[in-house]
This record gives sequence, structure tokens and C-alpha cells, in this order.
Amino acid sequence: AQSVTQPDIHITVSEGASLELRCNYSYGATPYLFWYVQSPGQGLQLLLKYFSGDTLVQGIKGFEAEFKRSQSSFNLRKPSVHWSDAAEYFCAVGALGGYNKLIFGAGTRLAVHP
Amino acid sequence: DAGVTQSPTHLIKTRGQHVTLRCSPISGHKSVSWYQQVLGQGPQFIFQYYEKEERGRGNFPDRFSARQFPNYSSELNVNALLLGDSALYLCASSFGGSNTGELFFGEGSRLTVL
Repeated sequence: AQSVTQPDIHITVSEGASLELRCNYSYGATPYLFWYVQSPGQGLQLLLKYFSGDTLVQGIKGFEAEFKRSQSSFNLRKPSVHWSDAAEYFCAVGALGGYNKLIFGAGTRLAVHP
Repeated sequence: DAGVTQSPTHLIKTRGQHVTLRCSPISGHKSVSWYQQVLGQGPQFIFQYYEKEERGRGNFPDRFSARQFPNYSSELNVNALLLGDSALYLCASSFGGSNTGELFFGEGSRLTVL
């Protein structure tokens, strides 16, 4: 069955520090992979997506993610975190079937210390 | 431009009651999807509608139903509410019906069942 695992429930970093959020997926074919961010009181916003091609994907707000097929991973990174990055981050995979269904991980809550 | 709008933003119901949640997609988008997000979990797919037809259904009981109108807006209906239906219900729209398109999420309708 298709699934997404985000091993870290909570992560705390200092402002200016680098960040890496982990995501592992289980999928039977070439996956479509996404990272979304959810701030309190707001909907989910797409940070970046991977469909094919270059395995290093650039997104909005200075985020990037690297697809590693051998590790079934799609980790999200940012070189220098800002206080406004505090939010919940969700990794998702596009489901088989051809319709617009995403399977989400449980999320990682990011706290940023000044 | 208006994003995805959902109503109501918050509502409280009692067990056994019925609820209707509404969603207006981004202008020009023909697909609407519904997700349930229970506290502490990632969103779970409920339905997708594309061009007014159901394209996909998640693992939810028949108490959950939805429809899409000619103007592409959508309603999610839940009958015989249970305590476990308490969640944030997210609507997402996209131009196409396949999972290669970006989903644009609304801010959600938070349902509390007492």
C-alpha cells in the first residue's frame, strides 16, 4: 500500500540554523512527491513538487528537496531558517489511479527559537 | 484573485446530526477535492470531483457524500455525525483532474461534534 512516513513529529531549530525534514514514501511506481506547509489558521500551501528529471527541486521561500529513489526519500531542506518558518510541514505522494488524490504523512511541527 | 473559499469556518454539532460544508474553487478550476484532517494527523482524502462527476473516493463510510455543481462549487455532506467526525475539513481545487496538478487548499471548516 502507498504510504508516507515523516519520522520527526516535532523539530526545534534556532533562527539562522539549517533545517532538514525527513520524508520516506512507499510507492509502486515513479512517484509524484510534494511538500506542503500549514500555518495556524491557514490552509495548506505548496512549497515544491517533484515529478521527474532533476532530483534536486527548488521551491518557494528558499526551500529545496532532494529525491533519492534508492532510499525512498524526499527530504526538505533550508539553509537558514527564519522565525516565520515555524509551521507544520507535510510530505505527500500522488496516488496511483490517475486522479488527484494525495497521500499525506502525519506532519512535522517546526518550532524556531530566536 | 480569490482563493479557495470554504464555509462555515467553524461549527458545532451534536451526535446524530447532519452537516453540510461548502467550497468554492478558484475561478477556472474544474476539480474539487475534500480532505479530512484529524488533530495531529495529516489530511486524509475523502472525495474528488472533476467536471461534476466523482473521480475518486477515499476509505470513508457512506455517511459521507458530496456533489459538485455546474459552477464547480461543491458540498460535502455528513450524516449521523459521530464524535470521531470532529476534524478540520479541507477543500482543494485544481484545474485538471489528474494528480500532476497542484492542489490549492482553502483554510478549512472546523467541525466539532459533541
